[in-house]
Amino acid sequence: DAKTTQPPSMDCAEGRAANLPCNHSTISGNEYVYWYRQIHSQGPQYIIHGLKNNETNEMASLIITEDRKSSTLILPHATLRDTAVYYCIVTGANSKLTFGKGITLSVRP
Amino acid sequence: NAGVTQTPKFQVLKTGQSMTLQCAQDMNHNSMYWYRQDPGMGLRLIYYSASEGTTDKGEVPNGYNVSRLNKREFSLRLESAAPSQTSVYFCASSNSFYSNQPQHFGDGTRLSIL
Repeated sequence: DAKTTQPPSMDCAEGRAANLPCNHSTISGNEYVYWYRQIHSQGPQYIIHGLKNNETNEMASLIITEDRKSSTLILPHATLRDTAVYYCIVTGANSKLTFGKGITLSVRP
Repeated sequence: NAGVTQTPKFQVLKTGQSMTLQCAQDMNHNSMYWYRQDPGMGLRLIYYSASEGTTDKGEVPNGYNVSRLNKREFSLRLESAAPSQTSVYFCASSNSFYSNQPQHFGDGTRLSIL
C-alpha cells in the first residue's frame, strides 16, 4: 500500500472550514484514500473515502487531485468537537489499514 | 445500536498472566480486526478475520492468538503477558475484507502489564 505524508498539526477557528492535506505520491490505480479520525481516548471513526472522484457526505468533503498524488479533507464548519487526530490512509484491494501518526487538528474558540 | 463492543474496558495484569479480550459486533459484518495502539503512535494490525472460520496474521502478531467464535465475536488472547504488550487494544469490523469497505471501531481495552 502507498505511504501517506501529513503535517503533524494544524489549527483553525471554530466555524471556519478546516482543510487537512495529505500527500500520497506513490498511490496506484486501484488504491483508495480513506480518512479516519480519533478523538482523545476513543476508537477511530470513519469519515470518508474515495478512489478518484471528489466525495461528500454529512461529515466532510474529500478532494482528490487529478493525478491522485494528494488529497484534502474539508470539514466545512469546524466545531470544538472536531478537535482530534486525523489519519489519511491509502489502501488497496484488501481492507488492511496502515495508520501513521496522523495530523492533530486543534479547533480554537 | 451498539456497533462494536469490547470488554473489558480496563485491565491490569502481572507479567506471565493470561487474558482474553472480547469483541462483539451487531452490524452483521463479515470481517473483524484487532489492532494495538501504543502512546503517540498510530494503530497497528495484530490479526484479522476476513470471514467466519478464517484468521490471518497482521503486522504484529507475535505473543497473541485469536479466535473467531462466530460471525459476531472475535477474541484476542495473550497467553503469557509481557510488559511490552501494555497498550490500548481496538477491535474493528467491516462488511467485507475484500471489497474495500470502511472499518468501524470499538472504544478500546486499556491493558497494563506490570
